[in-house]
Amino acid sequence: SQKIEQNSEALNIQEGKTATLTCNYTNYSPAYLQWYRQDPGRGPVFLLLIRENEKEKRKERLKVTFDTTLKQSLFHITASQPADSATYLCALDIAGTYKYIFGTGTRLKVLA
Amino acid sequence: DAGVTQSPTHLIKTRGQQVTLRCSPKSGHDTVSWYQQALGQGPQFIFQYYEEEERQRGNFPDRFSGHQFPNYSSELNVNALLLGDSALYLCASSLALGTVPYNEQFFGPGTRLTVL
Repeated sequence: SQKIEQNSEALNIQEGKTATLTCNYTNYSPAYLQWYRQDPGRGPVFLLLIRENEKEKRKERLKVTFDTTLKQSLFHITASQPADSATYLCALDIAGTYKYIFGTGTRLKVLA
Repeated sequence: DAGVTQSPTHLIKTRGQQVTLRCSPKSGHDTVSWYQQALGQGPQFIFQYYEEEERQRGNFPDRFSGHQFPNYSSELNVNALLLGDSALYLCASSLALGTVPYNEQFFGPGTRLTVL
């Protein structure tokens, strides 16, 4: 069956360091992959989208890579700040449908 | 420009009751998707509405139904509530396929449903 895995354990890093979050998937062939940020009690906020034919995408301090061979996406936040503390979700489309599948999310805590 | 709005913010119901949740999409968006998010989990896709029709459904029973109105707003109805239906219900709007970036979803703040 189709499955998305994100690190279930929280990730704690020191302010100023680069945070790297992982999203692995199996039995999918997504056309694109998205990353969202979610703060407690709030809806997810779209951050970045990367298509299957793109290796890397950047937006300010954010960088996403997409390796369709490894079936993995990496999400990087450089020069991390305490305000970056949140849960980060990856989401994939299901080819041929309008359905989106989300991972369980990784909670990031940036320590001052 | 108002983003996605949802009502009510919180709701408490008892088992067996029925509930209706409402969503207004972001201005200019014509597609609405509904998600259920249990505590500590990622959002689970319930269904998507476009042109007032349900065009995709996730693995949810028929107790979950919806509607989209001509102004693109949407409702989610859940009948015969179970304790396990307690969750945050999220509405997301987007532009239909064919518009770039058509698959960027804008989420509302959610409705927290508690079933006792």
